[in-house]
Order: sequence, then structure tokens, then C-alpha cells
Amino acid sequence: DTGVSQNPRHKITKRGQNVTFRCDPISEHNRLYWYRQTLGQGPEFLTYFQNEAQLEKSRLLSDRFSAERPKGSFSTLEIQRTEQGDSAMYLCASSPTKLAGGSYEQYFGPGTRLTVT
Amino acid sequence: AQRVTQPEKLLSVFKGAPVELKCNYSYSGSPELFWYVQYSRQRLQLLLRHISRESIKGFTADLNKGETSFHLKKPFAQEEDSAMYYCALRSTTPGANSKLTFGKGITLSVRP
Repeated sequence: DTGVSQNPRHKITKRGQNVTFRCDPISEHNRLYWYRQTLGQGPEFLTYFQNEAQLEKSRLLSDRFSAERPKGSFSTLEIQRTEQGDSAMYLCASSPTKLAGGSYEQYFGPGTRLTVT
Repeated sequence: AQRVTQPEKLLSVFKGAPVELKCNYSYSGSPELFWYVQYSRQRLQLLLRHISRESIKGFTADLNKGETSFHLKKPFAQEEDSAMYYCALRSTTPGANSKLTFGKGITLSVRP
């Protein structure tokens, strides 16, 4: 297991097009997170899955965004009718269930850099 | 609402100099604090967490609840410490998801 993987690594699209990103978490991690990071900012939370259930969505996640995790394994994040403001790095992270020490370490993927022209 | 503030964007020091990366937080309960690091062309990775009270790569961080701070320190900086550092907070409220709230990050540059 080489860690969290994300595809594609880079995506350039024209405004108005739809894009879909994929995240493969570490095996047996039941928690999966999506974050967005824009230039000069830290990652910002978008949404969270526990197994296949989407348990929380940030207000940053407009109606044009949808995320799924159909079998509790990989996840997809789709952006419809992309806008220039969607240009960012989209990060995926996964974590196991609560560790003995009571802390959740999140393991991050390399990210997908989206550029909307 | 929870918030993490990293007041500086860049810290440049010479090799062997002490380093302190500042982090302040705002949270109504008892949070869990982390430092994440991102080296050039690498993914974001956990450096240390406050509950572990451990030293990683010579770095330490102490949670000061009175000052709501979690500053990262290292007595003697090395060139390989050059990276982007993010402070992050997680809620410990029962039932809350374990999402992280990040600061804006600080670039540490260690010159030879």
C-alpha cells in the first residue's frame, strides 16, 4: 500500500465543463475527507465520508459539487459547470477509526490541481 | 467556530539558528492540535500532534491553553527543515467529525 492516491494529478478544463476526480484511500481506512487548497491558504474542509455515508458537507461545497463513495472504498468528487474560482488543489485524506491514543491521523494524497480557463 | 492563525508567512533563518513557528487557535472546547509539514514536491504529512508530547526531527510543540497557542520549536535548524508548515486543529466534541481546520501555513527557509 503506497498511501492515498489521487487521479488525475493535473486537470485543465474550460469554464463550463464538468470534471471528476478520484481518490483511493489507504486500505481499511473507513474515513475519507476532501479538502480544497487555494494559493496562499491552508487546506479547507469540503466533505467527509465514513464508509459510504457522506456525513458532513462544508458550506464551501456548492450545488455544483457532488461527492460519492459508493462502496466505502474509493471516492469521486465531481464539479459541474466549472468556474474560474474553482481553480485550486483538491486534496483527499483518509484515516482509520479512532486510535488507541484517541487521535485521528489523516493521511493525505498528492492532490489534483485543477485549472479552469 | 474554530479558527487557526499563523501570523507569519515566511521565516528565514541560518542553519543552526533556533526556530519558532507560531500558531494560535480559537476554539470553545478542548481541541486537538497538529503540525503538518509539506516538503518540496511532496504531499502533506503529519509532523507531530500535541497529545503525543513527542519530539519529531528535533521539533517540539507545547499546547498552551491559557494563551491558546501551539508554537512549533526547534533549537537548531537544519537545511532539510526547509518546507511549508501548517498548524491544524480538530474538534474533540463527541459526535463531531474529525475534520481538520488549518492555518494558512508558513514557509520555513533555512539558509546554509
